[in-house]
Amino acid sequence: GAGVSQSPSNKVTEKGKDVELRCDPISGHTALYWYRQSLGQGLEFLIYFQGNSAPDKSGLPSDRFSAERTGGSVSTLTIQRTQQEDSAVYLCASRGGGEYAGYTFGSGTRLTVV
Amino acid sequence: GENVEQHPSTLSVQEGDSAVIKCTYSDSASNYFPWYKQELGKGPQLIIDIRSNVGEKKDQRIAVTLNKTAKHFSLHITETQPEDSAVYFCAAGAGGFKTIFGAGTRLFVKA
Repeated sequence: GAGVSQSPSNKVTEKGKDVELRCDPISGHTALYWYRQSLGQGLEFLIYFQGNSAPDKSGLPSDRFSAERTGGSVSTLTIQRTQQEDSAVYLCASRGGGEYAGYTFGSGTRLTVV
Repeated sequence: GENVEQHPSTLSVQEGDSAVIKCTYSDSASNYFPWYKQELGKGPQLIIDIRSNVGEKKDQRIAVTLNKTAKHFSLHITETQPEDSAVYFCAAGAGGFKTIFGAGTRLFVKA
């Protein structure tokens, strides 16, 4: 597609429920990233996929968070047993064009845990 | 790992004035320094970037400078306009593979 697409744009869930957030990167982009942005805060790195390599999961805050990328394209970020502190905007970005290409971000999914 | 600090957190300028945002990084291996602009309700958008083999880069009203020795880099916006109002993020990484972002600067341009 023309840009990075994320769905849903907004998600309200009850504490303790599981949620899945989806990211459709730009076609052909081999690198895909997930970041978390709490209200008024910066961008917290979560996980990074590069081609067929094992993902860099070093930013995942707990084992309740996981992500997968199927077929080198679509990615799903899953948060199990959501907590109120998980409330944030979850941003996905993809990158292509070589190691010095910038990221293209989606508009994010605003997650609210009540 | 890399740590990026960004200042100021908030900046207010009059339309037509210049705005400067400064960042420092910790990892001497970092060689790629992008800047992103985030408008309300949107994802960050790349506005300019610089590699470590270049000291300065300019694109119309926007310029970035890099001092590798001091490990700091800056964004300069001249002749600011109301539409420049947004949150700006600096970032640093090694070849862009895993970019670490600063905390952001909220820029207000008063008409």
